[in-house]
Amino acid sequence: QSALTQPASVSGSPGQSITLSCSGTSGDVGMYHYVSWYQHHPGKAPKLIIFDVSNRPSGVSDRFSGAKSGYTASLTISGLQADDEADYYCCSYTSSSAHWLFGGGTKLTVL
Amino acid sequence: QVQLQESGPGLVKPSGTLSLTCAVSGGSISSGNYWSWVRQPPGKGLEWIGEINHRGSTNYNPSLKSRVTISIDNSKNQFSLNLNSVTAADTAVYYCARRPPYDGVGYYSFDYWGQGSLVTVSS
Repeated sequence: QSALTQPASVSGSPGQSITLSCSGTSGDVGMYHYVSWYQHHPGKAPKLIIFDVSNRPSGVSDRFSGAKSGYTASLTISGLQADDEADYYCCSYTSSSAHWLFGGGTKLTVL
Repeated sequence: QVQLQESGPGLVKPSGTLSLTCAVSGGSISSGNYWSWVRQPPGKGLEWIGEINHRGSTNYNPSLKSRVTISIDNSKNQFSLNLNSVTAADTAVYYCARRPPYDGVGYYSFDYWGQGSLVTVSS
């Protein structure tokens, strides 16, 4: 099973909005509303920021929002801040043997 | 606040067995959640390895299923990963993570993670 496809890197300036993409197939992103996103600062524990495509866990800033269209999910970060600089991973449940697929990750640089 | 902490040898010889333990604090491992292992090879993305629930029911990534065993020790509030016949391709940071119970919000996501444990396979 191939991993979900994410751009390797994205950059933006403080205050800007950026959107990260996550492409899958008809057996994962396209079939299920079970896409989640994780923020990972190297050396720390990954943090859940979006679940079930567009839901934010308690305590996560509303600057983070998620959506899905067809086989592609997206994460939008508005009002970019320096602390948003991190790696971001998408994840989807897949019908293939009932397990989870992650993307290769996108490195966000705040200029 | 739930916390997860991985522990185990940082170096494993080729063809040997990789063994890691995840200690759970701030909550009971028997609470109905699902407990997973996820890994990240150097310079690559995350890969889900498998999971276990408090009853010992397991689910593994088909690509690793023949080499993986995940077990749980409810009395010690911890769960473990064994990966046998390792090669250099198994060198990675290994994370343990939690999924909410079936009737919980975010069942299909991982809401708590450990900081990770680097395991290198080398002679």
